[in-house]
Amino acid sequence: KQEVTQIPAALSVPEGENLVLNCSFTDSAIYNLQWFRQDPGKGLTSLLLIQSSQREQTSGRLNASLDKSSGRSTLYIAASQPGDSATYLCAGSYNFNKFYFGSGTKLNVKP
Amino acid sequence: DAGVTQSPTHLIKTRGQQVTLRCSPKSGHDTVSWYQQALGQGPQFIFQYYEEEERQRGNFPDRFSGHQFPNYSSELNVNALLLGDSALYLCASSLSDGLVNEQFFGPGTRLTVL
Repeated sequence: KQEVTQIPAALSVPEGENLVLNCSFTDSAIYNLQWFRQDPGKGLTSLLLIQSSQREQTSGRLNASLDKSSGRSTLYIAASQPGDSATYLCAGSYNFNKFYFGSGTKLNVKP
Repeated sequence: DAGVTQSPTHLIKTRGQQVTLRCSPKSGHDTVSWYQQALGQGPQFIFQYYEEEERQRGNFPDRFSGHQFPNYSSELNVNALLLGDSALYLCASSLSDGLVNEQFFGPGTRLTVL
């Protein structure tokens, strides 16, 4: 059974801090790992997609890594800003785009 | 280029009623997936449509059904609504080219069952 776990469930940091969000999955036969951002009551915004043949992806201040052997992915946010405050979700797919989501990490960046 | 759109944005129904939610995929995408997101939880996969057929289904009862039209838009139908069906319903579209498979989500429909 595929399960995705995110730790911590919530995180509060001062502005400017670098931070790491963790995602773990039980089945290493993962196809894609995708990180999303969700603002309260809104849909999901795709941040980064890591294919199974890749180890990391970068976009601006965001860097996501994938280690299939250990069943882990991390999202690194550099120089955090109050606008980064949101819930961050990771999702793994195993076939035909069926994604399994974690429960998310709620991030609060304090000015 | 319009992204994924969903309608309506909010909906209030009573127990036992039926509801239909609609989704238009991102331009060029041919696959639509539906998810249910309860408050404080991650989205749960309901089912996926490709070429007007249900290709995969999650652990949801038959009260949840769907349809995909030739223009790739999709509907989610829920019959005999229960209080527990109250959630944010998300639609995601992707391109089934077997390569990247990145999913793009719509803004969701907030369903409240009273």
